Amino acid sequence: DGGITQSPKYLFRKEGQNVTLSCEQNLNHDAMYWYRQDPGQGLRLIYYSQIVNDFQKGDIAEGYSVSREKKESFPLTVTSAQKNPTAFYLCASSRSTGWGEKLFFGSGTQLSVL
Amino acid sequence: QQQVKQSPQSLIVQKGGISIINCAYENTAFDYFPWYQQFPGKGPALLIAIRPDVSEKKEGRFTISFNKSAKQFSLHIMDSQPGDSATYFCAASSSSASKIIFGSGTRLSIRP
Repeated sequence: DGGITQSPKYLFRKEGQNVTLSCEQNLNHDAMYWYRQDPGQGLRLIYYSQIVNDFQKGDIAEGYSVSREKKESFPLTVTSAQKNPTAFYLCASSRSTGWGEKLFFGSGTQLSVL
Repeated sequence: QQQVKQSPQSLIVQKGGISIINCAYENTAFDYFPWYQQFPGKGPALLIAIRPDVSEKKEGRFTISFNKSAKQFSLHIMDSQPGDSATYFCAASSSSASKIIFGSGTRLSIRP
């Protein structure tokens, strides 16, 4: 089955700790994205990547970092600098970042602070 | 100017009724308007989308109405069913940009 796999489904972070969320896709898509979802605030873009070894900051990149060393993988690290990390994190991909491209989303990771 | 404003935040509709969710935008460069549907604990999935050169697009029970002059678009769900209960996001993007702007979401509940 083609799709996007996010892991883990639930993650707990201790204060001062960095945590990494995994995102893998087997759709052969060039573009990948990370969104943060908070109740009543919709989906806010953290980072996106249009091609391997390249990525750009989205609207709320502070306290987060990413890498894109392989086409199929786009991990997100939530650093200790992110003071309010509790949220539902969604990874998505599309064939490109061109006009009208459909986003395919994973099932998300719920991150909570201990 | 990059915002997409969505209302209502939540909506309760009786089974068989019509559900209506509205969105408004400011950026006249937006030229693609998709709607995404999200079930609890899952990621959103594309439901239906429209381009500004048409005023309406229908797919089954789902219809997008688009008013370019008012910079507004809406999703209508006819004969709403309990299985339609989900969160709906409108969105907008432009051919000159690399990202989609999402509305704040509407939690729809269909009462049996």
